[in-house]
Amino acid sequence: DARVTQTPRHKVTEMGQEVTMRCQPILGHNTVFWYRQTMMQGLELLAYFRNRAPLDDSGMPKDRFSAEMPDATLATLKIQPSEPRDSAVYFCASGLVPGTVTGELFFGEGSRLTVL
Amino acid sequence: EDQVTQSPEALRLQEGESSSLNCSYTVSGLRGLFWYRQDPGKGPEFLFTLYSAGEEKEKERLKATLTKKESFLHITAPKPEDSATYLCAVQRTGGFKTIFGAGTRLFVKA
Repeated sequence: DARVTQTPRHKVTEMGQEVTMRCQPILGHNTVFWYRQTMMQGLELLAYFRNRAPLDDSGMPKDRFSAEMPDATLATLKIQPSEPRDSAVYFCASGLVPGTVTGELFFGEGSRLTVL
Repeated sequence: EDQVTQSPEALRLQEGESSSLNCSYTVSGLRGLFWYRQDPGKGPEFLFTLYSAGEEKEKERLKATLTKKESFLHITAPKPEDSATYLCAVQRTGGFKTIFGAGTRLFVKA
């Protein structure tokens, strides 16, 4: 059963600490998205990659956030230093775009981050 | 700038009471409009893709329609298990950027 895997599922950290979230996309998918979800803002697009190349990271605060795809099986989102306002659920999604009839994205279960 | 607006924010229905959710969008070059369902503590799950105005898709009690400016998700005779947040998203051509609306939280009471 192919699925997107995210780690950690939950993370509690103190302000100023570095946080790294990891995502394993579905094998064969060529596009990876990072979203942040809060009650106030909904699902915000942070960055996305196609064939491991970053296409758009305009949604990320550049001074503290960075996103990479060191290889086709791993995407990372790093926050350094973290702040309380970064508390949210971070979702990774992958898809085969173009190429599928539906164009759907497959989401992981999310990483819930709490910054104290 | 691309924009997706969903209404209402929340909707409370009695079991069997049909209704519709709205998604208004502005996008430069629409490749597809998507509907997803999200249960608490889970990631969004795909429901439908619509590509062009006039298109309709159905799945069980759900039916999605698309015009040039908005999409509707019609729920016919809902059941309590239909309670979830329903998200609308648009994907643009030339880069495939996909942005989501804030969602509609649906509560169906038995």
